[in-house]
Amino acid sequence: KNEVEQSPQNLTAQEGEFITINCSYSVGISALHWLQQHPGGGIVSLFMLSSGKKKHGRLIATINIQEKHSSLHITASHPRDSAVYICAVSPLGNEKLTFGTGTRLTIIP
Amino acid sequence: EPEVTQTPSHQVTQMGQEVILRCVPISNHLYFYWYRQILGQKVEFLVSFYNNEISEKSEIFDDQFSVERPDGSNFTLKIRSTKLEDSAMYFCASKRGPHTLSYNSPLHFGNGTRLTVT
Repeated sequence: KNEVEQSPQNLTAQEGEFITINCSYSVGISALHWLQQHPGGGIVSLFMLSSGKKKHGRLIATINIQEKHSSLHITASHPRDSAVYICAVSPLGNEKLTFGTGTRLTIIP
Repeated sequence: EPEVTQTPSHQVTQMGQEVILRCVPISNHLYFYWYRQILGQKVEFLVSFYNNEISEKSEIFDDQFSVERPDGSNFTLKIRSTKLEDSAMYFCASKRGPHTLSYNSPLHFGNGTRLTVT
């Protein structure tokens, strides 16, 4: 059974701080997704990656396939980054995305 | 930028009633999904749909659930006889290609339909 674990569950930081959210999973995957869920509930896809590193603005996502681990980094964090960040994985050979429980990030001005 | 649209944003229904949740995926996308999120819990996969048929479904997706792509643009989720425990946010998503290592096709989510069963 595929398990996706995220840490921390909650994170509060001051504006400008460097943020790291971690995700570990237990089975071989074809891709890992980082998603952002806003307070209203809507979900936005931030990254989809299967190896290496991707960068978009102040967001960086990395994945280590051998260690079954991914990190999401936010540089120069801002209050508008406050949201729940969700890691989700696509196991090899099927379309059943498995989601982590999410990390609730709060950035204080 | 094209987006996935879901209607209604909020649906209230009585236990035992049938509900249909509607989604319009992005027009050139080929893979369609429904997920649900019970309040305070993680998002769960319900079903994937490709080439006019279900390709994968979870244990949650029992005989009370069905999906349809009736007209080439809409993608619907029907719950035949709703139960209290069906109360959740239901998300539709679509993507252009499959989840394979060689195909980088991000997932696009709708804003969700909050279903409340009373």
